[in-house]
Amino acid sequence: QSALTQPASVSGSPGQSITISCTGTSSDVGGYDYVSWYQQHPGKAPKLMIYDVSKRPSGVSNRFSGSKSGNTASLTVSGLQAEDEADYYCCSYAGSSTFVFGGGTKLTVL
Amino acid sequence: QVQLVESGGGVVQPGRSLRLSCVASGFTFSNYAMYWVRQAPGKGLEWVAVISYDGSNKYYADSVKGRFTIARDNSKNTLYLQVNSLRAEDTAVYYCAKRAETSAVIDYWGQGTLVTVSS
Repeated sequence: QSALTQPASVSGSPGQSITISCTGTSSDVGGYDYVSWYQQHPGKAPKLMIYDVSKRPSGVSNRFSGSKSGNTASLTVSGLQAEDEADYYCCSYAGSSTFVFGGGTKLTVL
Repeated sequence: QVQLVESGGGVVQPGRSLRLSCVASGFTFSNYAMYWVRQAPGKGLEWVAVISYDGSNKYYADSVKGRFTIARDNSKNTLYLQVNSLRAEDTAVYYCAKRAETSAVIDYWGQGTLVTVSS
């Protein structure tokens, strides 16, 4: 049950694109196509942004996209906007109905 | 719309117990696995426990195994977490969360309830 590895912080200017990586193992990220990404603003509950590696829930901007290669998943945010500034967490199914989260990445919009 | 409302948090001394509750609405509670996820102050998310839709299967993170018990009452649309032998490192916001219908992901979260373990 080790946490997935994410960079502590990333930053970008408005209009630019950023990518956040999420590295796990073959027992979680690499073993299942059940990677999800959550956005969390200070003091708020997490919000689902991407599920099943690359699918977007209804209502989530198409500026958010996800992908996976081997044991590493990625979240890309294009056309950065001020309201995208938040913490982002990846999450992977790890078998037997259990999950493992990443340590979180703080996105700063410069 | 889906709503998950947690309660039961508070300040508690080390070694004591609490029972957290989560009342669900806006979906057929008895059809979904449910989760507890916690977040220590200034830290990341940590999956704590899961219970199957009918309560027959339960799994726990190693960090809480033997001290925490997840349960549900489908007649009351309520999820519980009994937390015993509390330690300072259990201080966190505890979120109730719902599994998605067609995927092994968490799709909805409550607003959380804060548990502070302090003497």
